[in-house]
Amino acid sequence: SQQGEEDPQALSIQEGENATMNCSYKTSINNLQWYRQNSGRGLVHLILIRSNEREKHSGRLRVTLDTSKKSSSLLITASRAADTASYFCDPRDSGGSNYKLTFGKGTLLTVNP
Amino acid sequence: NAGVTQTPKFRVLKTGQSMTLLCAQDMNHEYMYWYRQDPGMGLRLIHYSVGEGTTAKGEVPDGYNVSRLKKQNFLLGLESAAPSQTSVYFCASSDGPKLFFGSGTQLSVL
Repeated sequence: SQQGEEDPQALSIQEGENATMNCSYKTSINNLQWYRQNSGRGLVHLILIRSNEREKHSGRLRVTLDTSKKSSSLLITASRAADTASYFCDPRDSGGSNYKLTFGKGTLLTVNP
Repeated sequence: NAGVTQTPKFRVLKTGQSMTLLCAQDMNHEYMYWYRQDPGMGLRLIHYSVGEGTTAKGEVPDGYNVSRLKKQNFLLGLESAAPSQTSVYFCASSDGPKLFFGSGTQLSVL
């Protein structure tokens, strides 16, 4: 299994603005997921995008996947103070063990009211 | 439906003491995981289990032991706690690509 690398490490925006964070990975994937972690809490699953999909939407979230560049982006539109959290990506390999799951350091998003 | 429940939520230990963290899931998931999270380090996998009666080492297993005697429970033990084990511990479970996390245990070792 592999670990995604989120970028930037920190992002600060004003309420109402859009936030974009990126994820890069190293080897081919079956799918990629994004999670959110509010301060001191466990990760919460946001969205899954499969390797044959290029874009997926869920409410104010838009995820894109570029398998040729081995990267994904998460866009949060019209951000709210409640979106303040860390965001993690989880790329899943096409083959091999999918049990030894590790996470990167995430992107810390701060939405200022 | 409780999902993944971790107990206790907070604990303070003295160096050398032992303790067990309990993770319970009610979703009949095969896979369970223990992570630790330290400031600036992301989540690091300690041990994991792919089914009842199985355990395997993750990225940072030293100083920890685990057991999965029942499918719904995954126990993390610290035999002789050290200050370096001060951290927030998260349990997770899955039966597919999506992981479900507990709310965490904040452990301080003095």
